[in-house]
Amino acid sequence: QVQLQESGPGLVKPSGTLSLTCAVSGGSISSGKWWTWVRQAPGKGLERIGEISYSGYTNYNPSLKSRVTISLDKSRNQFSLKVTSVTAADTAVYFCARVLDYYGSGSYGYYLDSWGQGTLVTVSS
Amino acid sequence: DVQMTQSPPSLSASVGDRVTITCRASQTISNYLNWYQQKPGKAPKLLIFAASSLQSGVPSRFSGSGSGTDFTLTISSLQPEDFATYYCQHSKWMFGQGTKVAIK
Repeated sequence: QVQLQESGPGLVKPSGTLSLTCAVSGGSISSGKWWTWVRQAPGKGLERIGEISYSGYTNYNPSLKSRVTISLDKSRNQFSLKVTSVTAADTAVYFCARVLDYYGSGSYGYYLDSWGQGTLVTVSS
Repeated sequence: DVQMTQSPPSLSASVGDRVTITCRASQTISNYLNWYQQKPGKAPKLLIFAASSLQSGVPSRFSGSGSGTDFTLTISSLQPEDFATYYCQHSKWMFGQGTKVAIK
């Protein structure tokens, strides 16, 4: 059973850069079709940030696209998230997850089967 | 982006009740719909993928149905451990806003 663990600073200053890493254990990072980041502001719902494929293709939430970069390090079995120019609105629990696929009605569908426990990032001076 | 709308936003139910949560997509998405359960302070847990496929290890009292734009998550007999917030998601993209299931 693959396990994911987020790590990174819990406090980031406004206008700074949020950087998180998700370490994958119990399996290879090649086991996932895609790898994704999701966040949850305090008391709010889930928000997709973006994802990266094992081949290195990326997709980002249009609302965050200009500030987000997701990268993959196959040699370390991990992937990372950077969010630039952060504000208090970026305060949230950040989750990483594995994305698997299935072939549906003429194209591929996806689902998030394994998640990290989440890490709280607070943006404050 | 396809928008996902869940209803109701919250509900109160008793142990043993049959509970139904609805998710509507702003355009047709075939069966590309997943359901997750989230308890406070925990990561979401996959329950259903491809609209009706039960994830391994998930109790059979959970079931999903629907196709196109309208989808349903049903808990046939609510158990104490099922009190949580439930989210639908279109494939690996937009989530619904969540439905909180509370104890009546």
